[in-house]
Amino acid sequence: GAVVSQHPSRVICKSGTSVKIECRSLDFQATTMFWYRQFPKQSLMLMATSNEGSKATYEQGVEKDKFLINHASLTLSTLTVTSAHPEDSSFYICSARDIEGVNQPQHFGDGTRLSIL
Amino acid sequence: GENVEQHPSTLSVQEGDSAVIKCTYSDSASNYFPWYKQELGKGPQLIIDIRSNVGEKKDQRIAVTLNKTAKHFSLHITETQPEDSAVYFCAASNYNQGGKLIFGQGTELSVKP
Repeated sequence: GAVVSQHPSRVICKSGTSVKIECRSLDFQATTMFWYRQFPKQSLMLMATSNEGSKATYEQGVEKDKFLINHASLTLSTLTVTSAHPEDSSFYICSARDIEGVNQPQHFGDGTRLSIL
Repeated sequence: GENVEQHPSTLSVQEGDSAVIKCTYSDSASNYFPWYKQELGKGPQLIIDIRSNVGEKKDQRIAVTLNKTAKHFSLHITETQPEDSAVYFCAASNYNQGGKLIFGQGTELSVKP
């Protein structure tokens, strides 16, 4: 149980392209999903908290107009990297927390490796 | 805000030996401490977690201990196997404040056959 699916797993695109990443909870409902960014050999850095039916909460230093988050249902959150540039290249990972409450564990997807040429 | 320090950054053990990874946290209000295993190119996988009302938890070869007074917690892996090789992350959160995870820097564990 507690499976989180992330799609696509890999994206290679030209500078200036916008890229959408999907995060789905397959066997549970998630009021809250989280988006992280991870550079090689580094830890996970929280970018934003995605709440179903409301606006996302962004961490300090993360541009909300650059990283658009939509959480339209209890099983799907999307992250759109708008007008991506080479410095946006990274490993983006989502996690989801069961609707039962804030004391539930976060379960992670397998990440999306974004490469901007 | 919360800060989590994790040590060591790399750990190499022989198959069958034990491995211990330690983390300290700064916010005494943190009440949930999960450990994740991340294999190359994949997302983190929850392997064990502990809440602040418990001092120790065990699941087969994996155990976690928590010392709230000293604000540190540790992961213990016994009888290590080559498939235990991965990067391990500790994290801390306060689910009374939204449950955001603050991660440690990670430990790259290598188990040599």
